[in-house]
Amino acid sequence: EVQLVESGGGLVQPGGSLRLSCAASGFTFSSHRMHWVRQAPGKGLVWVSCIESDGRSSKYADFVKGRFSISRDNAKNMLYLQMNSLRAEDTAVYYCARDTNGLPYWGQGTLVTVSS
Amino acid sequence: QSALTQPRSVSGSPGQSVTISCTGTSSDVGGYNYVSWYQQHPGKAPKLMIYDVSERPSGVPDRFSGSKSGNTASLTISGLQADDEADYYCCSYAGTYFVFGGGTKLTVL
Repeated sequence: EVQLVESGGGLVQPGGSLRLSCAASGFTFSSHRMHWVRQAPGKGLVWVSCIESDGRSSKYADFVKGRFSISRDNAKNMLYLQMNSLRAEDTAVYYCARDTNGLPYWGQGTLVTVSS
Repeated sequence: QSALTQPRSVSGSPGQSVTISCTGTSSDVGGYNYVSWYQQHPGKAPKLMIYDVSERPSGVPDRFSGSKSGNTASLTISGLQADDEADYYCCSYAGTYFVFGGGTKLTVL
C-alpha cells in the first residue's frame, strides 16, 4: 500500500525556517517525481515545487523561489522541503504527492503556521 | 504563474449533469495534454479524478469525464450523486512549473 506521511510542521515566527519531511513507503520511491502542494486555511490548492525521480532537477512556484528548496534521499525514501524566510502568507497545510499520471497519491498534510 | 480560472461554484440536482471549466493559456492548458482534476471533501486530501485531460484512474466512476478545447479544459460529472458534493480543482503542467485552478465548489441540491 502506498503511504506518504508528512512531518515537520508547526508554529514558526516570520523570517524563520522549517524543514518538512515526507516519508514514502509501499512503492519504488526512486522511480517517481514528487511534489509539494499547499493549501492555506479555507483556500484552494497551490502547487509549490517538484523534484525529478533522480533528484537532479527541480521546479518551483515563483512565490517560493529563493526561499524554499526541495530535495530527496532515495536511499531513505524521504522527500524534503526546506523553507526559509517564512512569511505569514506561507501559513498552510503542506501535502506531498506522488506523480504518476497526475497525482494519485497524497499524504495527510502537515500544518505550517507562520505567526509572531 | 497565474492560477487557472475556474467558476467559484456550480450546482445541480441528483441525476443531472454539471460541467466545470478550467481556463488557462497557451502556455499551460492549451500547450500540453497534462491537465488533471482533483476532488476534495472537507478535511480530506485531494483525490485524483482525471489525468492527461480525459483519462480516468482505476476506481473512478465513468460518470466523471474530462475534455479540452484550446485553452479551456472541462470536467463533466453526469448522474450527480450526493457524495459528489465537494471542491474540484484542475491542474496543468506549464513547462517549468505546474499550476492549479482556484477551485470550484459543487453543490448537489
